[in-house]
Amino acid sequence: KQEVTQIPAALSVPEGENLVLNCSFTDSAIYNLQWFRQDPGKGLTSLLLIQSSQREQTSGRLNASLDKSSGRSTLYIAASQPGDSATYLCAVSGGGATNKLIFGTGTLLAVQP
Amino acid sequence: DAGVTQSPTHLIKTRGQQVTLRCSPKSGHDTVSWYQQALGQGPQFIFQYYEEEERQRGNFPDRFSGHQFPNYSSELNVNALLLGDSALYLCASSLGSASGNFGPGTRLTVT
Repeated sequence: KQEVTQIPAALSVPEGENLVLNCSFTDSAIYNLQWFRQDPGKGLTSLLLIQSSQREQTSGRLNASLDKSSGRSTLYIAASQPGDSATYLCAVSGGGATNKLIFGTGTLLAVQP
Repeated sequence: DAGVTQSPTHLIKTRGQQVTLRCSPKSGHDTVSWYQQALGQGPQFIFQYYEEEERQRGNFPDRFSGHQFPNYSSELNVNALLLGDSALYLCASSLGSASGNFGPGTRLTVT
């Protein structure tokens, strides 16, 4: 059974710092991995999607890496801003007919001005 | 082009009651998945609908049921509500099994 873990559960940093969020998964047979952002009480916004054959994806100040063999992914946020404050969720999919997502519990990020 | 929409935004129900949540997929999408997100947890897969049929189901009791209409919109029904059903219910739409888009969610509170 696939399990996804995110560390740390919460993180507080001063504005301008670079930071890394971690995600690990127990079954390396994944189809893809996504990082999402969730603002309090809101839906999910997809940030980056990495296919199982890829090693990393970049979008602006965000960079996500994937090491399938070790069951790990990291989300790197450069030059953090107060507007980056949110919960960041990692999810893996096993592909197949439904491509359902299995989520971690998230990292709550607070960027202090 | 509207994305995924869900209604209602918030809902308060009493234990034992029944509730229906609605989801309209993004234009061009034909598949709808439902997730439950309890406070402080990640979303958990409830089930997915494609071609008006339930294609896969997560570890949820039969009290949770759904439906997909010919226009691809979907409903999630929960019977005999329990306090533990209080959560944010998220709908995601996609074209087949491709990665999709999430709606804003419906916050259900059971008292």
